[in-house]
Amino acid sequence: RKEVEQDPGPFNVPEGATVAFNCTYSNSASQSFFWYRQDCRKEPKLLMSVYSSGNEDGRFTAQLNRASQYISLLIRDSKLSDSATYLCVVAHSGSGNTGKLIFGQGTTLQVKP
Amino acid sequence: SAVISQKPSRDICQRGTSLTIQCQVDSQVTMMFWYRQQPGQSLTLIATANQGSEATYESGFVIDKFPISRPNLTFSTLTVSNMSPEDSSIYLCSVKSYEQYFGPGTRLTVT
Repeated sequence: RKEVEQDPGPFNVPEGATVAFNCTYSNSASQSFFWYRQDCRKEPKLLMSVYSSGNEDGRFTAQLNRASQYISLLIRDSKLSDSATYLCVVAHSGSGNTGKLIFGQGTTLQVKP
Repeated sequence: SAVISQKPSRDICQRGTSLTIQCQVDSQVTMMFWYRQQPGQSLTLIATANQGSEATYESGFVIDKFPISRPNLTFSTLTVSNMSPEDSSIYLCSVKSYEQYFGPGTRLTVT
């Protein structure tokens, strides 16, 4: 079983739709949580960190449920430019500052006009 | 932010040969990381490259196959040795400053 699991999709949604991605992690020692975005043939880039209190950045909202070991990303008012692969990423205790990240396989989003 | 460059950007190599990938960062960083992304898969950490000491390898990766150099705080190399088609992947260099940054990757195809 993979340590970080995501539904690979693809999710095909129309512009303006709201879409939610889910992710589960198996290691309870995980301490830091992130969503990365990866465009086709490009490197991953940090979209947002995920905190227990939840956090929002414009149209993007991330939630963390430590008890269920579950992370989510909500995208509102989808844009064509949101089409990408979204990677759920965790870091273990102490490694959040060392750069050892564990990646899920990614969820592909296609936003259609 | 950190700006990372990698060379080569892509290569096609014959099995049994070796390829050395270079990673250059525009600022000094303590640790550099090498990741692999196999076709259709997500990223997997190969090793952590520390300046002044040997690299630390993750389970499933060994120094003989993936020797790493870290001569200074802005540069590292990863060598993929005795390549086989299973080594066909994107290899990405990464550094941690305020956030985690990734290089553009080296797309390797082994025939």
